[in-house]
Amino acid sequence: AQTVTQSQPEMSVQEAETVTLSCTYDTSENNYYLFWYKQPPSRQMILVIRQEAYKQQNATENRFSVNFQKAAKSFSLKISDSQLGDTAMYFCAFMKHIASGSRLTFGEGTQLTVNP
Amino acid sequence: DSGVTQTPKHLITATGQRVTLRCSPRSGDLSVYWYQQSLDQGLQFLIQYYNGEERAKGNILERFSAQQFPDLHSELNLSSLELGDSALYFCASSVAGTSLETQYFGPGTRLLVL
Repeated sequence: AQTVTQSQPEMSVQEAETVTLSCTYDTSENNYYLFWYKQPPSRQMILVIRQEAYKQQNATENRFSVNFQKAAKSFSLKISDSQLGDTAMYFCAFMKHIASGSRLTFGEGTQLTVNP
Repeated sequence: DSGVTQTPKHLITATGQRVTLRCSPRSGDLSVYWYQQSLDQGLQFLIQYYNGEERAKGNILERFSAQQFPDLHSELNLSSLELGDSALYFCASSVAGTSLETQYFGPGTRLLVL
């Protein structure tokens, strides 16, 4: 079974600064997908970024980028130029590559607070 | 707004009761997923349906059941409710239910069992 670990329950950052959230995972699969989801106080789950394991290039979405280290099974999220609206719980998630059926396995979450 | 709708937004009920949570996927999506978010267990996958058929099953209790109807909406039925069933229940949807796709989440139904 796959497991996802987020070792930082809480983090804080000053507005406009950069912060990195950590995630490690354990799997015997070779083909899989990794995600970061954001859950603001509204509790809505919002996709932030997605990474395919077969791609060596790290995914980037505007101010959000990942550092994917396949051998180390590490998948960190970097948020640049942090904004107050980035305050949320961030979940790292894993999905293995299968032809039919899919499920997300989530980490415990990191509560990020952006301070003015 | 993800395009996935869930009703009701909030539900308060008593132990031993039965409730039904409803989900309508995004237009064009054939697959729905149910997840439970609780303080004890975090976010857990419960079950997936694709075009009316069960496709994958996770940590879903026997007291819980789900189905997907011909119009593709899905219902999650929770029976013999216990205090520990209090949680936020999310529905998500994707086009074909494969790992090649992103799952888009609804706003959730917050269930409180008293």
